[in-house]
Formats: sequence, C-alpha cells, structure tokens
Amino acid sequence: NAGVTQTPKFQVLKTGQSMTLQCAQDMNHNSMYWYRQDPGMGLRLIYYSASEGTTDKGEVPNGYNVSRLNKREFSLRLESAAPSQTSVYFCASRVGGPNTEAFFGQGTRLTVV
Amino acid sequence: GNSVTQMEGPVTLSEEAFLTINCTYTATGYPSLFWYVQYPGEGLQLLLKATKADDKGSNKGFEATYRKETTSFHLEKGSVQVSDSAVYFCALSSGGYNKLIFGAGTRLAVHP
Repeated sequence: NAGVTQTPKFQVLKTGQSMTLQCAQDMNHNSMYWYRQDPGMGLRLIYYSASEGTTDKGEVPNGYNVSRLNKREFSLRLESAAPSQTSVYFCASRVGGPNTEAFFGQGTRLTVV
Repeated sequence: GNSVTQMEGPVTLSEEAFLTINCTYTATGYPSLFWYVQYPGEGLQLLLKATKADDKGSNKGFEATYRKETTSFHLEKGSVQVSDSAVYFCALSSGGYNKLIFGAGTRLAVHP
C-alpha cells in the first residue's frame, strides 16, 4: 500500500519562484492536512481540508494556497517563495473525526535561496 | 484556541532508564489526544491515543493517561531502548472542524 505520497522529495527554489507540492492518498480518507516542520517549532498546520470540496486555514497560512482537487489529492502552492518558507513540508490524511489516526507522507524538503 | 505544550528537549537517557515526556494542552470541549513518533528521515507515525478522560493509551511499552483535571497527557516508558531514539510529538484533535494540532516535539536520545 502506498499510503500518503508526496512529490517532490527535495526542491531548491529561488526567491520569487512559484511551485506546487503534490500530495495523494489511496486510503479513501476524507480529511487531509499540510504542515511545515521547523527546528524548535514542531509541526505547524498550514491548511487542512476536512472533506472533499472544503479547505480551511491553519496556524500559518500566509504565503500559501491549497487545492483539494478530488478526494485523493491535496496540493500546496507557493506563489512567490521566500527564504522564510525554507522548511520540511508534510502532508497527512485521516478518515475523519477527531479520534482517528493520521497517516503522514515522507515529507518534502524545500530550500528557498 | 487549541494548543499543545511539550517539555523541551533533548532528553538524553541511558538504556533501561525510565522515561517521562510531559505534555499539557488547552482546548475547548473534549479533545482526543495522541502521541506520534518520528524516526530520522521519516514522517510521523501514531504511537498511541486516548479519546476521553481517564483513558490510558499504550503501545510498544509506552503509556499515557488522559488527565482532564490537569489537562495533561504525559508519555512514559519503564525501560527505554536505543531503538526508542526519535522525536516524540503530542497532539490533540477536537471539534467539528477536524483540526489536528501538534506540540513542538521532544527529541529523545538513548545511549547504550
């Protein structure tokens, strides 16, 4: 089982460039999430989608946009990358409901120079 | 808003020592509480969970009890192994919006 698949695994961008991080899950989960992980800051929620067709802001949404393309796919877009967006990005999904387990992808390491 | 506070690391222990990692939370209503573990170079994976007050979650020798009166969910293990070296995250989830909020993580290093 593939689980949660993120692409790419690594990316280097120049300041001002744009890119889209892709995430797909094959577990028929309703909810999907994007987090960034920075040293000493833990995982901070950027955006989430409680179900297909809905998206909501998390703790740190500025500078990002998301699209829930269908039930399987949830993409994160950086329109104009900044060095402050250098981070490791994780996508996660779960069936739904507050007591269900979240499954994580392997992460995308993004460097903005 | 909802939040999770974890003890700062790193925590360094010798093999077979007792482990406690503190976690407290702030939330409206009755959240579900989780501990996730992240091994080097990997994504997070669920270690254990508790969904109501006084529940005890357990897995792989780790335990945590949901204490509503102290808003805490401390992680414990009686005898750690080198293979337990990882980063541990406390998390909560509540409400109809289905947010999942994490703490800052605590790095554990276990030495032989």
